[in-house]
Amino acid sequence: EADIYQTPRYLVIGTGKKITLECSQTMGHDKMYWYQQDPGMELHLIHYSYGVNSTEKGDLSSESTVSRIRTEHFPLTLESARPSHTSQYLCASSGLGGGRQGGVNEKLFFGSGTQLSVL
Amino acid sequence: RKEVEQDPGPFNVPEGATVAFNCTYSNSASQSFFWYRQDCRKEPKLLMSVYSSGNEDGRFTAQLNRASQYISLLIRDSKLSDSATYLCVVKGGFQKLVFGTGTRLLVSP
Repeated sequence: EADIYQTPRYLVIGTGKKITLECSQTMGHDKMYWYQQDPGMELHLIHYSYGVNSTEKGDLSSESTVSRIRTEHFPLTLESARPSHTSQYLCASSGLGGGRQGGVNEKLFFGSGTQLSVL
Repeated sequence: RKEVEQDPGPFNVPEGATVAFNCTYSNSASQSFFWYRQDCRKEPKLLMSVYSSGNEDGRFTAQLNRASQYISLLIRDSKLSDSATYLCVVKGGFQKLVFGTGTRLLVSP
């Protein structure tokens, strides 16, 4: 089983609130990712990081921001939540850990996700 | 055209049936390929990697056809517990993973 954790599991919040979705992994993975997924739809990469102090925007434009101050922690923040942000947010990590580069068959491990509903 | 394409299904099959899914990818420089399984309202979990020579894990067989740019997943002797969405994942340039929309499988008694 993968050791990657997301909190909260469910979040219902009003428009305009600032929220932070937490993601932590204890595998020492260098790479971490945030995906957004609507019901019955594919996963869309919104942010990724290849290591501490590295963050990049993904393929899907997102109003969220991320930070990577520690290897194990990759929080996602929405400064002002809107109903259009309602979705499931999945955090993932990959790598061999210990700062080593992963190979081409490096596997992705997902957290349980945060289901966000903005009213 | 999407970078990774799958038939969304659903594929409705009886228990014990053999079912196969295909997935096509557009980037010929893609390096690695995976099948993930996602249960309803759950996170995706790795089912198996897909190797150039093809690989088998119990009732599951994955194959890669680089010339035609598709990968396949074959499930033999389907179980009720196989009901899920199967995601095709391709690692392309810059080590980025691209997910297909998934193929939904429903196995009935």
